[in-house]
Amino acid sequence: LAKTTQPISMDSYEGQEVNITCSHNNIATNDYITWYQQFPSQGPRFIIQGYKTKVTNEVASLFIPADRKSSTLSLPRVSLSDTAVYYCLVGDIRRNNNDMRFGAGTRLTVKP
Amino acid sequence: EAQVTQNPRYLITVTGKKLTVTCSQNMNHEYMSWYRQDPGLGLRQIYYSMNVEVTDKGDVPEGYKVSRKEKRNFPLILESPSPNQTSLYFCASSLSGTGDTAQHFGDGTRLSIL
Repeated sequence: LAKTTQPISMDSYEGQEVNITCSHNNIATNDYITWYQQFPSQGPRFIIQGYKTKVTNEVASLFIPADRKSSTLSLPRVSLSDTAVYYCLVGDIRRNNNDMRFGAGTRLTVKP
Repeated sequence: EAQVTQNPRYLITVTGKKLTVTCSQNMNHEYMSWYRQDPGLGLRQIYYSMNVEVTDKGDVPEGYKVSRKEKRNFPLILESPSPNQTSLYFCASSLSGTGDTAQHFGDGTRLSIL
């Protein structure tokens, strides 16, 4: 089971790029990396997923170095509405995702 | 619209009065699960189901029951609720139970057990 470690909180300002890094030193060969966003009193929402190198969608980018022991979620030009908790999960494509645990996440606060 | 629907959204009840929180998904997903979220403890998985008639315990199953008689429904049952089950509950589903599929979450059910 790959344990993940993220910063507890981060602050940013509107218009800035925000990078949130997640450490997963014990990641296994078959593990994928998935990021979720959660607003207060709402269910987590899928943001992005990747296996290696870089993945980009309309919301964010995910950078994964060659050793895959960490990953960085990049949010370009954040706005106040990006204030939320962000979770990094690592899961095996072969096993059920009961192995994926939601940690404490990173609480991002975007200021005006 | 693809969604996971939970009912009720809010419930205040008393200790010992059986209750059921329903969860339904319209995406033909095989995998469904229940989480509870408490301040300072994050999201903890209660039960999960890989497919119809297949369920298994998560991290905090005590005091809860589930069933999966149909693919789309995964109700959470509290046979004899207690105050320590006061929490925010989320149901989730995904195409399969593997790490490369994203989970879709419902809007949550806030339970208060007095």
